[in-house]
Amino acid sequence: GAVVSQHPSWVICKSGTSVKIECRSLDFQATTMFWYRQFPKQSLMLMATSNEGSKATYEQGVEKDKFLINHASLTLSTLTVTSAHPEDSSFYICSASTANQPQHFGDGTRLSIL
Amino acid sequence: RKEVEQDPGPFNVPEGATVAFNCTYSNSASQSFFWYRQDCRKEPKLLMSVYSSGNEDGRFTAQLNRASQYISLLIRDSKLSDSATYLCVVTHRNSGNTPLVFGKGTRLSVIA
Repeated sequence: GAVVSQHPSWVICKSGTSVKIECRSLDFQATTMFWYRQFPKQSLMLMATSNEGSKATYEQGVEKDKFLINHASLTLSTLTVTSAHPEDSSFYICSASTANQPQHFGDGTRLSIL
Repeated sequence: RKEVEQDPGPFNVPEGATVAFNCTYSNSASQSFFWYRQDCRKEPKLLMSVYSSGNEDGRFTAQLNRASQYISLLIRDSKLSDSATYLCVVTHRNSGNTPLVFGKGTRLSVIA
């Protein structure tokens, strides 16, 4: 089946650091990638939708200047959490899809900001 | 009110038991419906799609009632390996590249 690779899987860093998370579709070209976030005991919530070559669409309440998304190719999207603070600590997960395929999830990134 | 509501559980059941999970969704325009399984600190994995006619995959049976906006999942002959959180998921379009709307999940623990 389709494979989506997400890296890194776990990040611990100091408050104020910027963190970049990569999401790669390894065996198909993903026209759309989604970024979700899951706080403990909460549901996965969509943060943004990213289409290759265009600006990401952010969900209400998600700051686009804080969560920078780049989708420069059909196989790679990146999420950068700028100047991360403890309240940004969460489980971030990407998924990749095309119109004719269900979404395939990456393994997720557990972000802990001290 | 959340768009997808589930009983969070936990459901603690013995091996071999039958257990049923329910889910309601508020957006009547929802198009596609799924059950996902999520293990602790892992990504969600698609368990099965859900259709109005009902569908079965081995020990798992899913059912959709569009009129009541209600989705169910039945697990028969529970195994220890079924312990996980089960996520009810809907989408607003019948297309692969549409966002998934997740419920909070129902936690199942199968006990030996």
